[in-house]
Amino acid sequence: ETGVTQTPRHLVMGMTNKKSLKCEQHLGHNAMYWYKQSAKKPLELMFVYNFKEQTENNSVPSRFSPECPNSSHLFLHLHTLQPEDSALYLCASSQDDTSGSNTQYFGPGTRLTVL
Amino acid sequence: GQNIDQPTEMTATEGAIVQINCTYQTSGFNGLFWYQQHAGEAPTFLSYNVLDGLEEKGRFSSFLSRSKGYSYLLLKELQMKDSASYLCAVRDSNYQLIWGAGTKLIIKP
Repeated sequence: ETGVTQTPRHLVMGMTNKKSLKCEQHLGHNAMYWYKQSAKKPLELMFVYNFKEQTENNSVPSRFSPECPNSSHLFLHLHTLQPEDSALYLCASSQDDTSGSNTQYFGPGTRLTVL
Repeated sequence: GQNIDQPTEMTATEGAIVQINCTYQTSGFNGLFWYQQHAGEAPTFLSYNVLDGLEEKGRFSSFLSRSKGYSYLLLKELQMKDSASYLCAVRDSNYQLIWGAGTKLIIKP
């Protein structure tokens, strides 16, 4: 247990569905991250929130919409996804995102399959 | 562009020693991380290097040479549970983590 939980662990959805991924951290951190992990590819940073403010959006398509209501919770809203969006979506948190030694702690991920 | 290179897959024998290399080219450097990720699980933090040299933590050690843009993770007395992917990541001048694709380590009895 890393102190970061994600639900659901597995999700299968059609291209016309709308779903949301949830992440919660119990570490008292101020920064939260969404990553996409595809097989044999580097982790792709999608969004960063620092003190509830979005500080990074790495050219992510608008069919992915993040929400950070407070420092402990992070959501990723999904709509009209494509089959190539199938991947493992990882949430992480850290004390903040401005220090070199800041360690990111990851949740177990949501395995998403888009049909 | 920014780039992290590490071998795709390595095989080693239980009880042996294995070294996983990572080379990087990034815009700036604010530290290098190693993570372990078992299949279907979260990446977990192993080590952080920001100064040149060797950091030892039990069976695992991590080395950094900033002038060469090079790091390695050394695993000693390998156990079957060490079978996992090992991810190298560098924090650049903007404090973003740049990730390698990971090295899948297979341990054989």
